[in-house]
Amino acid sequence: SQQGEEDPQALSIQEGENATMNCSYKTSINNLQWYRQNSGRGLVHLILIRSNEREKHSGRLRVTLDTSKKSSSLLITASRAADTASYFCATASYTGGFKTIFGAGTRLFVKA
Amino acid sequence: DTEVTQTPKHLVMGMTNKKSLKCEQHMGHRAMYWYKQKAKKPPELMFVYSYEKLSINESVPSRFSPECPNSSLLNLHLHALQPEDSALYLCASSQEPRTFNYGYTFGSGTRLTVV
Repeated sequence: SQQGEEDPQALSIQEGENATMNCSYKTSINNLQWYRQNSGRGLVHLILIRSNEREKHSGRLRVTLDTSKKSSSLLITASRAADTASYFCATASYTGGFKTIFGAGTRLFVKA
Repeated sequence: DTEVTQTPKHLVMGMTNKKSLKCEQHMGHRAMYWYKQKAKKPPELMFVYSYEKLSINESVPSRFSPECPNSSLLNLHLHALQPEDSALYLCASSQEPRTFNYGYTFGSGTRLTVV
């Protein structure tokens, strides 16, 4: 089952611009994570934000979490062509077990 | 070693075949997962193993049979699959299955085609 919905579905920007992706979810969560996937291969964990945190930074990445609105955003600053990938949010919650469920994803294209 | 290794990378099998996918990690992680991903879709959870015991089965058809022989190894046995089972099968692990403090480490996946 799919927990998160991401917006936009696809995003095309020029190198050097910032990219913002949004994720909304439906149920209470323990944490929210963002992953990157290149060319349909394995996913790479980018950042984890706990439900009691509001903002987190890692290098060029900034993640915010608003549990009252059940939404999160991922900002990639000064994008590079190498950032071209699909980005997924994933929500972790205890629903019959410790589960992490992925959202639909945003496909990011960074043009050189 | 900070990797999850999946073999084979590609697999083509007939509907009457039996095959197995293998996943290995040596990071001391105690939770391991199988996800299925169709093209342009998010990964869908199939199974969760916690301390080598099956803790979650997301109503997966019995033609998929998981096995966790030890803390480093996870197998997915396949039998009598259908063409619609063609997908990328991803294995992942995480450090501690009973908390939400850790992200997942994914393997690069096995691309399965059922003919």
